[in-house]
Amino acid sequence: QQQVKQSPQSLIVQKGGISIINCAYENTAFDYFPWYQQFPGKGPALLIAIRPDVSEKKEGRFTISFNKSAKQFSLHIMDSQPGDSATYFCAASPSGTYKYIFGTGTRLKVLA
Amino acid sequence: KAGVTQTPRYLIKTRGQQVTLSCSPISGHRSVSWYQQTPGQGLQFLFEYFSETQRNKGNFPGRFSGRQFSNSRSEMNVSTLELGDSALYLCASSLGLFGAYTEAFFGQGTRLTVV
Repeated sequence: QQQVKQSPQSLIVQKGGISIINCAYENTAFDYFPWYQQFPGKGPALLIAIRPDVSEKKEGRFTISFNKSAKQFSLHIMDSQPGDSATYFCAASPSGTYKYIFGTGTRLKVLA
Repeated sequence: KAGVTQTPRYLIKTRGQQVTLSCSPISGHRSVSWYQQTPGQGLQFLFEYFSETQRNKGNFPGRFSGRQFSNSRSEMNVSTLELGDSALYLCASSLGLFGAYTEAFFGQGTRLTVV
């Protein structure tokens, strides 16, 4: 069964610190890996996405690192701010399926 | 540019009833997907439409159905509602084929409560 495993389930970081969220997938050809941020009562908002032919992508304070051989990818939030406190979901799209498989989510809290 | 619009935002229905949810994608987007979000199961794929054709369907019972109109607007219907259908139903749209290196944008969802 196709799965994307996300860790940690929750994360507390001091303001200005680095938040790191990890995801891993198994035995499936995924060809697109987006990350979404969701605030309570809102829909998920696209943060950043990466293709498997790229090892790293940076947009502002957000960086995705992708390790194809290990089937792992991670989100780094640099200089974390209290406004970053939200739930973050990684996702992966199996080739030709027109869908995302989501991780279980990481609830991030950034302390002021 | 307007985002993905879902109506209604909140809905309370009784077991056994049916419900129709609506989604208007971002202007110009032709792909619409639906997801169910619950605390226990997370985000689960329901179905995806492109140019009025359903291209994929998730592992949900036949009570869950959907369609897409020629203007790319989409509806999903749940018949014979069960308590377990209580969830946030999310619609996402993308310019091209969903998942094919194409950014997808979600609406705020419809919160369905079945009592």
